[in-house]
Amino acid sequence: GQQLNQSPQSMFIQEGEDVSMNCTSSSIFNTWLWYKQDPGEGPVLLIALYKAGELTSNGRLTAQFGITRKDSFLNISASIPSDVGIYFCAGQNYGGSQGNLIFGKGTKLSVKP
Amino acid sequence: KAGVTQTPRYLIKTRGQQVTLSCSPISGHRSVSWYQQTPGQGLQFLFEYFSETQRNKGNFPGRFSGRQFSNSRSEMNVSTLELGDSALYLCASSLRDVASGANVLTFGAGSRLTVL
Repeated sequence: GQQLNQSPQSMFIQEGEDVSMNCTSSSIFNTWLWYKQDPGEGPVLLIALYKAGELTSNGRLTAQFGITRKDSFLNISASIPSDVGIYFCAGQNYGGSQGNLIFGKGTKLSVKP
Repeated sequence: KAGVTQTPRYLIKTRGQQVTLSCSPISGHRSVSWYQQTPGQGLQFLFEYFSETQRNKGNFPGRFSGRQFSNSRSEMNVSTLELGDSALYLCASSLRDVASGANVLTFGAGSRLTVL
């Protein structure tokens, strides 16, 4: 089945630094999504990308849908302590009976004040 | 607007027992999906229900089952529990059937199951 390779697995950064993480797949997706999960909570949607090449921002977060439809990246600028958490990419194909999300293994972000 | 509500939040069972988890979707959402999250395998899709019908199923054994009621609330059941079933079980709801197109899934906080 489809799998996503998400990197890096973990990051330890200083407050104020920029962060970049990415996901690649061996097959294409219609939609790429980025979620953040805090301890004891479910994933919360940060950004959804619907078109190849699309670049979308949400505050200090910027994500892009790769032109090949097989990759996506997420950047966080000027990190703050509340950015700590696990970030997941997810790909989605829909049509027929499909539509479930395929998740990457996550990037654990730690921010030192 | 209330979010996705999952109960119970935490539970402990022993091997061989069965468990039922409940999910109340966001009001007006008709699709409910279930995911299993473990440290080793990450987030894995279990199944999706829309209008009381299972629309899609992941690669889990038949011990994992679910259903959806007419009010869109959903339950999932795991029978003959194994140690490896220990996980966070997440429910997500969306307005439409996930196969119908780009569709935002909103997750609940999950039910953390520990099997001893």
